[in-house]
Amino acid sequence: EAGVAQSPRYKIIEKRQSVAFWCNPISGHATLYWYQQILGQGPKLLIQFQNNGVVDDSQLPKDRFSAERLKGVDSTLKIQPAKLEDSAVYLCASSFPGLPVNEKLFFGSGTQLSVL
Amino acid sequence: GDSVTQMEGPVTLSEEAFLTINCTYTATGYPSLFWYVQYPGEGLQLLLKATKADDKGSNKGFEATYRKETTSFHLEKGSVQVSDSAVYFCALSPGSNDYKLSFGAGTTVTVRA
Repeated sequence: EAGVAQSPRYKIIEKRQSVAFWCNPISGHATLYWYQQILGQGPKLLIQFQNNGVVDDSQLPKDRFSAERLKGVDSTLKIQPAKLEDSAVYLCASSFPGLPVNEKLFFGSGTQLSVL
Repeated sequence: GDSVTQMEGPVTLSEEAFLTINCTYTATGYPSLFWYVQYPGEGLQLLLKATKADDKGSNKGFEATYRKETTSFHLEKGSVQVSDSAVYFCALSPGSNDYKLSFGAGTTVTVRA
């Protein structure tokens, strides 16, 4: 089966610019997550969607970050304006709802963002 | 809140050496515990998991036992190979139907031939 697709693979921007990341989850996976992985740290959950609704965005810096999942499939994560500390890998993951947690959560390869 | 602390790296080993990576957690309730692996240039992959106390997760020669009394989930492999070179992450989720993972900082393992 196809995996979680993310693009772009790399992005370099200057601070105060805007950037957007795209994620296409595995077909049929209604639950979608965005994680931020800063170099040397483990991934940190930013937002969780169930279909096109937000389940948890408590750790999303809403003054500059936004995310949407129109039609309950693809998702975009946007940063506007970017700060130096936003340099990180942004990971998208998806899972099939209703399965026990010991079923697999699938991660994309991530988008590496460098803010100069 | 829930958190995971794992052994800092990097760790460098020779082939066929024994590997152990320590992981301890802080959580309320009954979390599920995971080890994820990230090979160079690839996405995170689930290596093994355990959902209740005394469960042992195992995969690809790796093992970890959920120890509630010591709040630990140490990863072990008896004989590592060069192909095991990767970053290993310990993680927990709060319950049995929740994938809101809290990750440790990761341990980089390099195995030399």
